[in-house]
Amino acid sequence: QQQVKQSPQSLIVQKGGIPIINCAYENTAFDYFPWYQQFPGKGPALLIAIRPDVSEKKEGRFTISFNKSAKQFSLHIMDSQPGDSATYFCAASTRSGGYNKLIFGAGTRLAVHP
Amino acid sequence: DVKVTQSSRYLVKRTGEKVFLECVQDMDHENMFWYRQDPGLGLRLIYFSYDVKMKEKGDIPEGYSVSREKKERFSLILESASTNQTSMYLCASRGRGTGTEAFFGQGTRLTVV
Repeated sequence: QQQVKQSPQSLIVQKGGIPIINCAYENTAFDYFPWYQQFPGKGPALLIAIRPDVSEKKEGRFTISFNKSAKQFSLHIMDSQPGDSATYFCAASTRSGGYNKLIFGAGTRLAVHP
Repeated sequence: DVKVTQSSRYLVKRTGEKVFLECVQDMDHENMFWYRQDPGLGLRLIYFSYDVKMKEKGDIPEGYSVSREKKERFSLILESASTNQTSMYLCASRGRGTGTEAFFGQGTRLTVV
């Protein structure tokens, strides 16, 4: 079962557009929600993260919007550039059974065309 | 510069072989993880370890085992490789606490023929 549901699976935008990637979760014990960016041939790397007591977080052109009541969060990329073309994963973290685990969504392959 | 290093970028193994994937981290992290990445399925957790000699099953442990004899090293073992284990394998390490960043290796592309 997928504990973090991510959509869309792929996304194509023109340079300057604002791609939005959405994630939803069920487990209210999740308390940390990071986004990871992965370029071809590389491992994922942390892009931006948010805690559930905050509704929005911005870092440069990247913004996370968080809706605790709906159990949804999303990534917005402002003024997208061809260099943003990558696969993006949302994730959620919880302390379960005494251990900290990161659960990932299925990923979104983003292509930004010049 | 923090590092998680996986021993191989590409591996080709035969069905039935025992396969070892090695991962080393230099950040003194307590937690280490093995994920497999398949198109459309994202990153699925195979096993993780929260301390030396300690391990826990993830979501898809069948056909795999792990070993952590030293804090910096976490090995994934395919006891008898099968073609459905052809995948990208990613190792990650993470410090204590739910708000800590996970650092990934570059991945091992395993093909079982």
